[in-house]
Amino acid sequence: AQSVTQLDSHVSVSEGTPVLLRCNYSSSYSPSLFWYVQHPNKGLQLLLKYTSAATLVKGINGFEAEFKKSETSFHLTKPSAHMSDAAEYFCVVTPYSSASKIIFGSGTRLSIRP
Amino acid sequence: NAGVTQTPKFRILKIGQSMTLQCTQDMNHNYMYWYRQDPGMGLKLIYYSVGAGITDKGEVPNGYNVSRSTTEDFPLRLELAAPSQTSVYFCASSTMTGEGQPQHFGDGTRLSIL
Repeated sequence: AQSVTQLDSHVSVSEGTPVLLRCNYSSSYSPSLFWYVQHPNKGLQLLLKYTSAATLVKGINGFEAEFKKSETSFHLTKPSAHMSDAAEYFCVVTPYSSASKIIFGSGTRLSIRP
Repeated sequence: NAGVTQTPKFRILKIGQSMTLQCTQDMNHNYMYWYRQDPGMGLKLIYYSVGAGITDKGEVPNGYNVSRSTTEDFPLRLELAAPSQTSVYFCASSTMTGEGQPQHFGDGTRLSIL
């Protein structure tokens, strides 16, 4: 069975400092993994995706994530936080050819202190 | 470049009323999904469709119905509104479920049942 766990419900960092949002997954096969961002009163927007190619994935707005199979993790990072990064972030596990099995994490709210 | 469009954006219903949440996409995607998002939770799949004329239940289908008569449209019907259906509803679409295929989301419909 698949599952995804976002280890922090809320992360607060100062502007200009690094961001780390943690995601662990469980899957019986190599999954596709995604990070989405949700700004207030908006839908989810794709940040980046992992699809069994490079383990270090670069996304939009300076975010990147590293797939670590041995640790079953897919943590999202950014070297320097910006005020506009304040949002909700979701880690998502997607199986091959099963629309009903897409699993969303519970989300991490990122706050940025001036 | 509209993407996924949801209407209405906000709605207040009385218990027992019915309504239809509209969703349309202009990307010619075969797969479409309806999710609900409750506070502090990830997204829960209500119904999904893999093509015109084909729909199936997700994790939380009770109290809802869908239809898919065209590739573009995937309306969600609430027949007898209940307070437990107060939520934010998101429609999404994708080319398929598979390696590296992200979902595209609408901006949501915020529904309150009083």
